[in-house]
Amino acid sequence: GAVVSQHPSRVICKSGTSVKIECRSLDFQATTMFWYRQFPKQSLMLMATSNEGSKATYEQGVEKDKFLINHASLTLSTLTVTSAHPEDSSFYICSAREISGPSYEQYFGPGTRLTVT
Amino acid sequence: GQNIDQPTEMTATEGAIVQINCTYQTSGFNGLFWYQQHAGEAPTFLSYNVLDGLEEKGRFSSFLSRSKGYSYLLLKELQMKDSASYLCAGSGNTGKLIFGQGTTLQVKP
Repeated sequence: GAVVSQHPSRVICKSGTSVKIECRSLDFQATTMFWYRQFPKQSLMLMATSNEGSKATYEQGVEKDKFLINHASLTLSTLTVTSAHPEDSSFYICSAREISGPSYEQYFGPGTRLTVT
Repeated sequence: GQNIDQPTEMTATEGAIVQINCTYQTSGFNGLFWYQQHAGEAPTFLSYNVLDGLEEKGRFSSFLSRSKGYSYLLLKELQMKDSASYLCAGSGNTGKLIFGQGTTLQVKP
C-alpha cells in the first residue's frame, strides 16, 4: 500500500529558531502534497497545497514567509517553520496524492509533534 | 463557502450501534470522506462516498445524500478500540479536503 513518512516524529525547539519537517512518499510518486496543522482537540486545518516544481498555494490566514514549503521532487516535500514561537506548537501532518491514483485519494503521514519552548 | 458540521462528542456502549452524522456545504462537491483518528496519530481512511446511498465495509458503513448535504458513519458491534475521533471531510472542486471538527466517540463497557 501507499506509505507516507514524516521526519522527525517529534521535535522540541527554542523560540526564534527554525524547524524543518520532511514528508516523503515511500513507494509512489506524488505530484501533490498537502500540509495540515492540528491543535489539541481540534480537527485538521489545511495550511497549504504543495505541487512538485512549483510554488505552494497557501490557505487564507497562513503566512507563507513563516511556513516555507519546498516540493523539490516527486517524493519529498518539506515544511520549514521559521522563527518559531510557542503558539506554533502543534501537530503537523502531511498527505500525498499519487500521480496515477484517483484524484480524490490522499495518504497521510504519521505526523510531527512540534513543541516550541 | 465550505462548511462541515458534526457533533463534538458521542458516547456508546460496547457491542452497540452508533451513528455519527455530518452535514456539509462545499463548492463543487467531489466526495465525502470519513477518517478515524486515535489520539496523537494521523487519520486513517475509512470510507469515501461520491454517489448517494450506503457503502458497507464490515462493521463500518457510510451513507451519503447529496441533495440533503448529509452523510453518516455507522459503526456496528462497537469495540473498545473504536474509541477515537471520527473526522468527516468534504472534497470540493479544488481537490482539497475540508475537515469537520471531528466527533470524539467514547465506547464504554
